[in-house]
Amino acid sequence: AQTVTQSQPEMSVQEAETVTLSCTYDTSESDYYLFWYKQPPSRQMILVIRQEAYKQQNATENRFSVNFQKAAKSFSLKISDSQLGDAAMYFCAYRSDTGTASKLTFGTGTRLQVTL
Amino acid sequence: GAVVSQHPSWVICKSGTSVKIECRSLDFQATTMFWYRQFPKQSLMLMATSNEGSKATYEQGVEKDKFLINHASLTLSTLTVTSAHPEDSSFYICSARVPSDRDNSPLHFGNGTRLTVT
Repeated sequence: AQTVTQSQPEMSVQEAETVTLSCTYDTSESDYYLFWYKQPPSRQMILVIRQEAYKQQNATENRFSVNFQKAAKSFSLKISDSQLGDAAMYFCAYRSDTGTASKLTFGTGTRLQVTL
Repeated sequence: GAVVSQHPSWVICKSGTSVKIECRSLDFQATTMFWYRQFPKQSLMLMATSNEGSKATYEQGVEKDKFLINHASLTLSTLTVTSAHPEDSSFYICSARVPSDRDNSPLHFGNGTRLTVT
């Protein structure tokens, strides 16, 4: 079974600064998908960014980018120019590509605080 | 974009009673929906995979007789917590994926249901 580990329960960043959230995973599969989801106080899960394992190029979405290291099974999220609205729980998630009906496995989450 | 609606958003029930939570895909047909449970300050744990027209697939450790899942149509899945106990109090979230989306498409989540059992 796949596991996803987020070793930072809490992180803090000043507004306009950059922060990196860590995520590692364990799998024996070669094809899979990785996601970062954001959960604000409203508890709504919001997709931040996604990465296909077969792509070497790191995904970017505006201020959000990832550092995907397949050999190391690492998938960190970098948030640039942090904004107050970025404060939330961030979950790293893994999805197999082997027909398991899109089941997502989540990490334990990192709570991000953004300070003035 | 695809919308998943969950109802109710908050429910309080007494111990021993049953409560039903609905998950609807509003603008697409979802043959598969997923039910997650989230305890305070913890991650989302998959409870079961709901399959339209067939039995749900439950994760290890989840009591299928306690958490009844019905997926009777392509747009509706229901989770019924039977004989609720205070330890069932939690945040329940459903999700679905648009079947026609590319393989790397994400799940679409409902807004969740906060269940409190007194």
